[in-house]
Amino acid sequence: GAVVSQHPSWVICKSGTSVKIECRSLDFQATTMFWYRQFPKQSLMLMATSNEGSKATYEQGVEKDKFLINHASLTLSTLTVTSAHPEDSSFYICSASGTSPYEQYFGPGTRLTVT
Amino acid sequence: RKEVEQDPGPFNVPEGATVAFNCTYSNSASQSFFWYRQDCRKEPKLLMSVYSSGNEDGRFTAQLNRASQYISLLIRDSKLSDSATYLCVVTAPNSGNTPLVFGKGTRLSVIA
Repeated sequence: GAVVSQHPSWVICKSGTSVKIECRSLDFQATTMFWYRQFPKQSLMLMATSNEGSKATYEQGVEKDKFLINHASLTLSTLTVTSAHPEDSSFYICSASGTSPYEQYFGPGTRLTVT
Repeated sequence: RKEVEQDPGPFNVPEGATVAFNCTYSNSASQSFFWYRQDCRKEPKLLMSVYSSGNEDGRFTAQLNRASQYISLLIRDSKLSDSATYLCVVTAPNSGNTPLVFGKGTRLSVIA
């Protein structure tokens, strides 16, 4: 149980375009979903937290107009990187939790490369 | 001071060796502690929770010292498949929306 999927697993896009990443909880209802970013040899950094049906809460330094998060249902959250730049190239990982935010189930991640 | 600090390694050990990783955390209000394992280009996966009394899961033993804000992970009889990055993770209940705080990880390579 507690399976989280992400799509796509990797994507290459041109600078200035937008990319949408989906995160789904396959066998449970996720009260909260988290979006992380990980640069090479760095730790996972939380970008934002989203609860179903409400606006996401962004961490300091993360531009909400650039990283659009939608959590329309208890099983799906999307992250859209708008007007992507090469510095946005990173490993984006989502996680989902049920009743406790400390028990998070991670998706397999999406590797984004912006050329 | 960083919230969670780990020795980045890499630790290169032969098969069968015993290896220990250390981690310190800065938020004394942290209540829960975990070790995650992350393989290259993969998502982190929970290895084990860390309890105050210490806990063991097969070849893996985790210890917590709240007074020193220090966590350890001991791996006995290392296998090639143990090669990965080990992430120390703590909860940060007083830090807004960041319930889990990750260390940068310690890289382990087990060599045949």
